[in-house]
Amino acid sequence: AQSVTQLDSQVPVFEEAPVELRCNYSSSVSVYLFWYVQYPNQGLQLLLKYLSGSTLVKGINGFEAEFNKSQTSFHLRKPSVHISDTAEYFCAVVGYSSASKIIFGSGTRLSIRP
Amino acid sequence: DSGVTQTPKHLITATGQRVTLRCSPRSGDLSVYWYQQSLDQGLQFLIQYYNGEERAKGNILERFSAQQFPDLHSELNLSSLELGDSALYFCASSVGTPSNTGELFFGEGSRLTVL
Repeated sequence: AQSVTQLDSQVPVFEEAPVELRCNYSSSVSVYLFWYVQYPNQGLQLLLKYLSGSTLVKGINGFEAEFNKSQTSFHLRKPSVHISDTAEYFCAVVGYSSASKIIFGSGTRLSIRP
Repeated sequence: DSGVTQTPKHLITATGQRVTLRCSPRSGDLSVYWYQQSLDQGLQFLIQYYNGEERAKGNILERFSAQQFPDLHSELNLSSLELGDSALYFCASSVGTPSNTGELFFGEGSRLTVL
């Protein structure tokens, strides 16, 4: 079974500042990792994903994440945030097994201050 | 627009009642997932169907049931409703199982309020 921990429930940052949203996972098998974003009053949408290959993954809206197998982490970063990045961000994991379920973290609410 | 359609968008009902939430997946997607999102519980996986068959089960209460029909749309039935069932219910779809595709496409949700 897999599990995901998002260490910060809320992250306030100033506009144009860098941000890092932390995600750690646990699994006994190899995994795929994802970040989803939920804008106010909307459903979730995929921001980026790690399936294999390069450990640095680039996504939409200038976000990127780095897969670190030794630390079982998949932190999300953006060098300069914008007001429009205000949203809730969910890290998710699924194991390679066809029977695996996609497990979401508890979410991190990113609030941008002007 | 994700291509996943959920109805109704909003629903207000009373305790003890029964409601049905409907989901139409993206064209071509065989898997449908149901999630419940509430302030205190976060995003909870309820159940997954793949091509009409139940594939995985999460924290779904016995009062809740779901099915996926031959045309691949899905319904989530919630009965004997309690105040604590008030939440946003999301449907998502994918081409195959999560380990095959890795990406879910979410609808905009059905907000259920139980009074």
